[in-house]
Amino acid sequence: DAKTTQPPSMDCAEGRAANLPCNHSTISGNEYVYWYRQIHSQGPQYIIHGLKNNETNEMASLIITEDRKSSTLILPHATLRDTAVYYCIVRVTGTYKYIFGTGTRLKVLA
Amino acid sequence: DTGVSQDPRHKITKRGQNVTFRCDPISEHNRLYWYRQTLGQGPEFLTYFQNEAQLEKSRLLSDRFSAERPKGSFSTLEIQRTEQGDSAMYLCASSLGLVGTEAFFGQGTRLTVV
Repeated sequence: DAKTTQPPSMDCAEGRAANLPCNHSTISGNEYVYWYRQIHSQGPQYIIHGLKNNETNEMASLIITEDRKSSTLILPHATLRDTAVYYCIVRVTGTYKYIFGTGTRLKVLA
Repeated sequence: DTGVSQDPRHKITKRGQNVTFRCDPISEHNRLYWYRQTLGQGPEFLTYFQNEAQLEKSRLLSDRFSAERPKGSFSTLEIQRTEQGDSAMYLCASSLGLVGTEAFFGQGTRLTVV
């Protein structure tokens, strides 16, 4: 019962921007969107999160549409080490439960 | 503080044995989560604590599974009478008890039931 939809896989050339989309059309007004990534056999790594405004940190930028029904994670200059599964997550309303979908498998190509 | 710590990192056990995993959250984080992840799937929510209180449990958490967080610090996840279907990565995460704060995950405990 994941609340988000992501493409199963994407490729990106090394050095180029990677733009990973996520649909969360049922998001509630006070729910944040979180992005994590998981490199093989490691625990998920927090990337960024946001509510309404676009956010940027040292790892990535998060663009949230005005209606908040979708967002895009941007890795500005992808490297081979960014190859991972990227998860977009929204909390289940009324709980503290975060449901992971199957994510987007990003492959950065040399 | 070095983040969320889980022990052991790997565990191989025979079917029918009991196993216990430990999670040490980031200090001052009062929320603690357990997830399970099987190959090719995203992490699945198991349970959640706020301080020492277990506030949510997934239907995935059968009677053979029990989690505790005494004194609101470290947590343990015990699986009794393990089955081969219990083979998975067990992940722990912690966060502050504030709206909109992120959770940080440990490296997980990989369980193999033979």
